[in-house]
Amino acid sequence: AQTVTQSQPEMSVQEAETVTLSCTYDTSESDYYLFWYKQPPSRQMILVIRQEAYKQQNATENRFSVNFQKAAKSFSLKISDSQLGDAAMYFCAYRSGTSGSRLTFGEGTQLTVNP
Amino acid sequence: EAQVTQNPRYLITVTGKKLTVTCSQNMNHEYMSWYRQDPGLGLRQIYYSMNVEVTDKGDVPEGYKVSRKEKRNFPLILESPSPNQTSLYFCASRPGLADTGELFFGEGSRLTVL
Repeated sequence: AQTVTQSQPEMSVQEAETVTLSCTYDTSESDYYLFWYKQPPSRQMILVIRQEAYKQQNATENRFSVNFQKAAKSFSLKISDSQLGDAAMYFCAYRSGTSGSRLTFGEGTQLTVNP
Repeated sequence: EAQVTQNPRYLITVTGKKLTVTCSQNMNHEYMSWYRQDPGLGLRQIYYSMNVEVTDKGDVPEGYKVSRKEKRNFPLILESPSPNQTSLYFCASRPGLADTGELFFGEGSRLTVL
């Protein structure tokens, strides 16, 4: 079974600085998708960024980018120019490309942004 | 507006009193799913449905039931709630099982079982 691990329960960053959230996963599959979700205090789950495993290029969405290391099974999220609104719980998630019946989530990383 | 709607958003109940959390989506999605979120465990899938009358167990199905009689609705039923079912519950949907796009989540239902 696939597992997703986020080893940083909490992180903090100064406003306007850059922070990187770590995620590792374990799978024997070659076809899969990886996601980062943001959960602000409102509890709403918001998709931040997604990466297809077959794509070598790292995904980027404005201030958010990933460092996808397929061989190392690592999928970190970099937030540049951090803003107060980035404060949230961040979840890394895995989805099989062949049996996509579920998202497997990591434990979450609580990000605090200090003014 | 495309959305997934859950009700109730908050509920406090007592052990053994049957309850239902409703979930409805207005996007004509085939695939729907329920997750529970607990501190330090992330989100775990309870049940999912690939289409009307087709449901299957996720990772933590014990103590829960679901039904999918209509495409838009996917209620979560707790026949005899216990305190270990105190959690934050999310319903989610996407167009189809094979769809590679994002999962659309409801706003969550906070359940407390005393």
